[in-house]
Amino acid sequence: DTAVSQTPKYLVTQMGNDKSIKCEQNLGHDTMYWYKQDSKKFLKIMFSYNNKELIINETVPNRFSPKSPDKAHLNLHINSLELGDSAVYFCASSQEGPSSYGYTFGSGTRLTVV
Amino acid sequence: GQNIDQPTEMTATEGAIVQINCTYQTSGFNGLFWYQQHAGEAPTFLSYNVLDGLEEKGRFSSFLSRSKGYSYLLLKELQMKDSASYLCAVINTDKLIFGTGTRLQVFP
Repeated sequence: DTAVSQTPKYLVTQMGNDKSIKCEQNLGHDTMYWYKQDSKKFLKIMFSYNNKELIINETVPNRFSPKSPDKAHLNLHINSLELGDSAVYFCASSQEGPSSYGYTFGSGTRLTVV
Repeated sequence: GQNIDQPTEMTATEGAIVQINCTYQTSGFNGLFWYQQHAGEAPTFLSYNVLDGLEEKGRFSSFLSRSKGYSYLLLKELQMKDSASYLCAVINTDKLIFGTGTRLQVFP
């Protein structure tokens, strides 16, 4: 039933490791996003995909690589994790870009790099 | 640049009314959203304004003035469960840009 689901919910890993976060939406939306929420609770867009094509790539280090196998999935792979990558990562989706219904967010993945 | 400003924290009493302000300066504007986010949870949609004026939805109302780059969220008859962060966000062309959020604490 969950509209936008992310896994895992919590991720604790050591510096230098590579990890992936998965996101799936069952709303039939065309556009999916990754946001990062830092310790000050500021939500910042990282990427957006529309029908598997990259639309937005904010100034994110190239250690972060999104992958969209189909329009219902948008995964985030992070190489060589650093302490500063610790944050909550939210996946979101919307119909044809932002609309009057805004974005639907997943429940977030809390990443802790130690 | 893009600037979306909100007060960092506010407090209010149960049953009262509170107004959370948001000012924005963005290179483009296609609408403004308010989201509610409880601690440890995802942001959830509250309201959307694209034209000037007031949109009312139950206990929550949102106002927009495009000429002033200003919006507010009005919460009436506050309940303890309204303690949360409230995020103002502007659609700029093809992306949603969030403000810093306002943490509201409601006391009995």
